[in-house]
Amino acid sequence: NAGVTQTPKFRVLKTGQSMTLLCAQDMNHEYMYWYRQDPGMGLRLIHYSVGEGTTAKGEVPDGYNVSRLKKQNFLLGLESAAPSQTSVYFCASSWTGSSNQPQHFGDGTRLSIL
Amino acid sequence: AQSVTQLDSHVSVSEGTPVLLRCNYSSSYSPSLFWYVQHPNKGLQLLLKYTSAATLVKGINGFEAEFKKSETSFHLTKPSAHMSDAAEYFCVVSQTNRDDKIIFGKGTRLHILP
Repeated sequence: NAGVTQTPKFRVLKTGQSMTLLCAQDMNHEYMYWYRQDPGMGLRLIHYSVGEGTTAKGEVPDGYNVSRLKKQNFLLGLESAAPSQTSVYFCASSWTGSSNQPQHFGDGTRLSIL
Repeated sequence: AQSVTQLDSHVSVSEGTPVLLRCNYSSSYSPSLFWYVQHPNKGLQLLLKYTSAATLVKGINGFEAEFKKSETSFHLTKPSAHMSDAAEYFCVVSQTNRDDKIIFGKGTRLHILP
């Protein structure tokens, strides 16, 4: 089992460029999440999905869009990248959204916006 | 409302000595509590979780944590530190109510001295 796989692992963009981060999970999990991790800030939730075809906003959604066309994939898009979006992005998944369910994380995408 | 506070941003211990990473939480409902570990350039990995069963929870790699409701604490301990324990540790609180939400602490960096 690969678990949660994120592509790409690293990317450098120029301000104003767009890109899509891909997250794939092979555990048949219903819930998927996108977080960003910044020094001293812990993880902050950007968007999440409770099932195929659904998405919802998290704590810091501005400047990002998401799509969940297939259950196993959750895409995070940056339409017009800004330096403030330089961060490490983590995707996670869980069986359900129940509070006692742990999340399974990918290894992250390190994104730099110049 | 719920929150989680990791009381130390950095902890340094010598190899072979005990580890204590402190976490306090607040929650209006019965919380679920988790500890995750993050090694460099990796995603978060579940160490252990508390979900209203036994208050002393044993996790992987010799770590354990005790849920103390009276002190609203969920401190992580290990009797003897190993060099491979050097990583960042996150305390996470999640509560069961209509507005389920997961809150990550800001992390504690554990340094192991030879």
